[in-house]
Amino acid sequence: DTEVTQTPKHLVMGMTNKKSLKCEQHMGHRAMYWYKQKAKKPPELMFVYSYEKLSINESVPSRFSPECPNSSLLNLHLHALQPEDSALYLCASSQDRGRFGEKLFFGSGTQLSVL
Amino acid sequence: DAKTTQPPSMDCAEGRAANLPCNHSTISGNEYVYWYRQIHSQGPQYIIHGLKNNETNEMASLIITEDRKSSTLILPHATLRDTAVYYCIVRVARTMNRDDKIIFGKGTRLHILP
Repeated sequence: DTEVTQTPKHLVMGMTNKKSLKCEQHMGHRAMYWYKQKAKKPPELMFVYSYEKLSINESVPSRFSPECPNSSLLNLHLHALQPEDSALYLCASSQDRGRFGEKLFFGSGTQLSVL
Repeated sequence: DAKTTQPPSMDCAEGRAANLPCNHSTISGNEYVYWYRQIHSQGPQYIIHGLKNNETNEMASLIITEDRKSSTLILPHATLRDTAVYYCIVRVARTMNRDDKIIFGKGTRLHILP
């Protein structure tokens, strides 16, 4: 199994809603990532988890709250989002961080629309 | 980390070799060159990486100049399914470096023409 699975594929939410994005991998990877991608722009790194601990937060607003309950799961909790947060949210995993030849495996993303 | 420069778009005829250039003139000795691509509506996909030697796998070849200031990704027989945005990334490979992260540049939008 070389897949990173993201659910849901599409999400529409209001600015007062609370929702969560889910990411799952069963490759035994110990590093997991959240990226945000606006239309026709490159992915932007948001968070990095290494061995279930948050190791990088790219100054992301607190309305985005990541969680890594175990080595296979990564969640992104959303609360009080703004319309400008509408984007494709991508999850990725890698065997470890900082190793030579490390490859990231990406999911297909969750397309989020904030109304 | 070093930055990369890529042409914003390129066209290539189906069946021909697609050669995608990348400039990384400030690359350091311990920085690898990685290539990813993103097909529409999908997540990025790893293609290949290298340090200073040329590399080949089932997807592509990577040619790195001797001074390491530039590289070329070669798709030997492009198909319509290779239409995608191709990202060239340079990245330090240090074990357990907390600052190590993959940052995407603007990439090259490759159109394969029938």
